[in-house]
Amino acid sequence: AQTVTQSQPEMSVQEAETVTLSCTYDTSESNYYLFWYKQPPSRQMILVIRQEAYKQQNATENRFSVNFQKAAKSFSLKISDSQLGDTAMYFCAFMTNLKGGSEKLVFGKGTKLTVNP
Amino acid sequence: DAGITQSPRHKVTETGTPVTLRCHQTENHRYMYWYRQDPGHGLRLIHYSYGVKDTDKGEVSDGYSVSRSKTEDFLLTLESATSSQTSVYFCAISASTSSTDTQYFGPGTRLTVL
Repeated sequence: AQTVTQSQPEMSVQEAETVTLSCTYDTSESNYYLFWYKQPPSRQMILVIRQEAYKQQNATENRFSVNFQKAAKSFSLKISDSQLGDTAMYFCAFMTNLKGGSEKLVFGKGTKLTVNP
Repeated sequence: DAGITQSPRHKVTETGTPVTLRCHQTENHRYMYWYRQDPGHGLRLIHYSYGVKDTDKGEVSDGYSVSRSKTEDFLLTLESATSSQTSVYFCAISASTSSTDTQYFGPGTRLTVL
């Protein structure tokens, strides 16, 4: 069974600085997808970034980038130039196949990030 | 937001009563999902649907049933609510992009079972 581990329950960073959130996963699949979702106090789950395992190039979305190490099964999220609006819970997730072409997300327990002014 | 709404957004009910949560989408997505979120567990899959009348169980399906009689609606029913079902419930759809499917979530329903 696939598992996702986020080893940092809480982190804090000063505004404008850079922070990295860690995520490791376990799977026997060779081709898969990984995601980071953000959940601000509003509770809405917001997609931050996704990575296809067959792509060696790390995904980037504006201030957000990942460091994907397939052999180590590591998928960390780097937030550059942190902003107060980045304060949220961040979830790492692994996508696995289900019946009928559907797919399930397996989530880590999350990292609570606080950006301080 | 992928056109997903959930109703109700908040509900308080008593142990033993039936409860139905509704997920509605406006963009004709084939795949729909129900997750629950509890402290210390992240989100976990309850049930999913891969088409009208096609549903299956996820990892935490005990005490829940679902129905999907039309593409746009996916209903989650707690036949007899228990306190352990106090949680935040999220509906999601799967939307295809050029490279992969990505799941987008509704705003969530906070359910309290007293």
